[in-house]
Amino acid sequence: GAVVSQHPSWVICKSGTSVKIECRSLDFQATTMFWYRQFPKQSLMLMATSNEGSKATYEQGVEKDKFLINHASLTLSTLTVTSAHPEDSSFYICSASSLVPSGPNEQFFGPGTRLTVL
Amino acid sequence: GNSVTQMEGPVTLSEEAFLTINCTYTATGYPSLFWYVQYPGEGLQLLLKATKADDKGSNKGFEATYRKETTSFHLEKGSVQVSDSAVYFCALSENDYKLSFGAGTTVTVRA
Repeated sequence: GAVVSQHPSWVICKSGTSVKIECRSLDFQATTMFWYRQFPKQSLMLMATSNEGSKATYEQGVEKDKFLINHASLTLSTLTVTSAHPEDSSFYICSASSLVPSGPNEQFFGPGTRLTVL
Repeated sequence: GNSVTQMEGPVTLSEEAFLTINCTYTATGYPSLFWYVQYPGEGLQLLLKATKADDKGSNKGFEATYRKETTSFHLEKGSVQVSDSAVYFCALSENDYKLSFGAGTTVTVRA
């Protein structure tokens, strides 16, 4: 299957700083990327959907000014957690999909990024 | 709205035992249904899927049948191995391609 990478795999930062997480589709062009958040022993919660070249669509309750998403190319999307606080500590997972009209198409998931805010 | 309810875990089994993880869903239309698996320290992987009623998805000895009449997509495997220890997520997707996940079921298989 297609490969999606995330970088970094884990990050520790101080409260008030910003952290950028990268999501790359390595062997296919991802027209759409999804960002999820996963709390310990819980399911994945969709944060936002981003289509290449356009603004991300955020799910209800997700602060767009806090979680900045950029999808500037067909192989790269970034999530920036701005002014991070301890409650933002979580496991962030991206997925990538190449949509075709006959869809739905499979989402390929990255390995996740563990963010710890001190 | 769409939602997925799956059997709470954790589930602990002996090797070669039969595994069933129940999954039911609520959707406004006719969704596609998925089972994803997350092995320790790894990202989610698609295990199997079904796109319409009565379809059976299968992979690695796992099976699930899309039952529209009972809005269910239960996951089964006849003989589990230690390597099947993982977290299993049931999910659905409608025309917008967004996935709605169940809470996940942790399965531990003991030798």
